[in-house]
Amino acid sequence: DGGITQSPKYLFRKEGQNVTLSCEQNLNHDAMYWYRQDPGQGLRLIYYSQIVNDFQKGDIAEGYSVSREKKESFPLTVTSAQKNPTAFYLCASRDPWRGNQPQHFGDGTRLSIL
Amino acid sequence: GNSVTQMEGPVTLSEEAFLTINCTYTATGYPSLFWYVQYPGEGLQLLLKATKADDKGSNKGFEATYRKETTSFHLEKGSVQVSDSAVYFCALSESQGGSEKLVFGKGTKLTVNP
Repeated sequence: DGGITQSPKYLFRKEGQNVTLSCEQNLNHDAMYWYRQDPGQGLRLIYYSQIVNDFQKGDIAEGYSVSREKKESFPLTVTSAQKNPTAFYLCASRDPWRGNQPQHFGDGTRLSIL
Repeated sequence: GNSVTQMEGPVTLSEEAFLTINCTYTATGYPSLFWYVQYPGEGLQLLLKATKADDKGSNKGFEATYRKETTSFHLEKGSVQVSDSAVYFCALSESQGGSEKLVFGKGTKLTVNP
């Protein structure tokens, strides 16, 4: 079955460390997205990519970085510059070339600070 | 900018009760509207969508109608089940520079008791 795989499910970071969250999709979608979810705040867009080798900042990109070297992969790095990284991170993908298509989500990675 | 406002939860109902979760939006143009559901510890799943005014989206007994005159997309279900306990997110799509992004409400937590 096609879908989006996020790993790991739980991740712990020490102060001052960078960590990378994995997102892989086999839906053949060109567009991919990273969201951060905090309790009571809904989802906020971190970065998005419409196509390989291209990505754009979302609403809360500071302290994060991404790459899009392959169509199926869109890893997110949480850098030490992100002062409050504890959150639930969700990756999504979408086919941007067919009208009115929804975003499909992975099961998320929960990041905590040790 | 575009925004989505959902009724604040949590909402607690008894099994077989009627459910309404209010959602209103502010947007330029004519966005598509979505309801997503998130079960504990999981990512978001598309519940239903509507792409133009007066469209009704429906799935698993849930319904929502795109009301342009009241800028609303309220979620309803005639008889809820314990398995419907989850967090529900209303969202709209916005296009910027050829890219489409989702704007989410803050979510409404529903608990259904037997």
